[in-house]
Amino acid sequence: GQQVMQIPQYQHVQEGEDFTTYCNSSTTLSNIQWYKQRPGGHPVFLIQLVKSGEVKKQKRLTFQFGEAKKNSSLHITATQTTDVGTYFCAGLEGSAGNMLTFGGGTRLMVKP
Amino acid sequence: DGGITQSPKYLFRKEGQNVTLSCEQNLNHDAMYWYRQDPGQGLRLIYYSQIVNDFQKGDIAEGYSVSREKKESFPLTVTSAQKNPTAFYLCASTLAGGISDTQYFGPGTRLTVL
Repeated sequence: GQQVMQIPQYQHVQEGEDFTTYCNSSTTLSNIQWYKQRPGGHPVFLIQLVKSGEVKKQKRLTFQFGEAKKNSSLHITATQTTDVGTYFCAGLEGSAGNMLTFGGGTRLMVKP
Repeated sequence: DGGITQSPKYLFRKEGQNVTLSCEQNLNHDAMYWYRQDPGQGLRLIYYSQIVNDFQKGDIAEGYSVSREKKESFPLTVTSAQKNPTAFYLCASTLAGGISDTQYFGPGTRLTVL
């Protein structure tokens, strides 16, 4: 079945440093979604990417979808303590009837 | 305010007891989902329902059961057959049955089986 891997599993950064998490799928995806889960909270939708090579920005967050639609990345510029949380990617395989498969998440910790 | 509610936030049960977790949404969403999250892990799909009176198994349905008698409600029963029930349970919904739609999550129920 489809597998979605995320790296790294954990990342400690100093406030102001950049952060990147990578998402890789074993199969070609029709789209990919990104979610953020604050400590003790629930996942909240951030963005969806659909097109090959697509790049979307939300303030300090930049999301990319690979040309082959098998990988994606989330980059945060100049991290802030409010960025703390776990970032999940979730991919949908191209075939009909498939469900979203979530990656294991990357837990970001920011030292002030 | 529209949203998804899950209750209770924390639940403790003795081993061997069945327990039902509630999930209610007033977003008028057609589809609803149950996920399980273990510490440091991603989300795994237990069951989903794209329409009232119909539901399908996800990746880890064994030991769980659901019902969808009303559009707004999708309760999950954790049965005694579930070998490791202690986990964080998240309910979600999407506007239509399309799994590519944005998933709206409830606050979750943290179940501990003693």
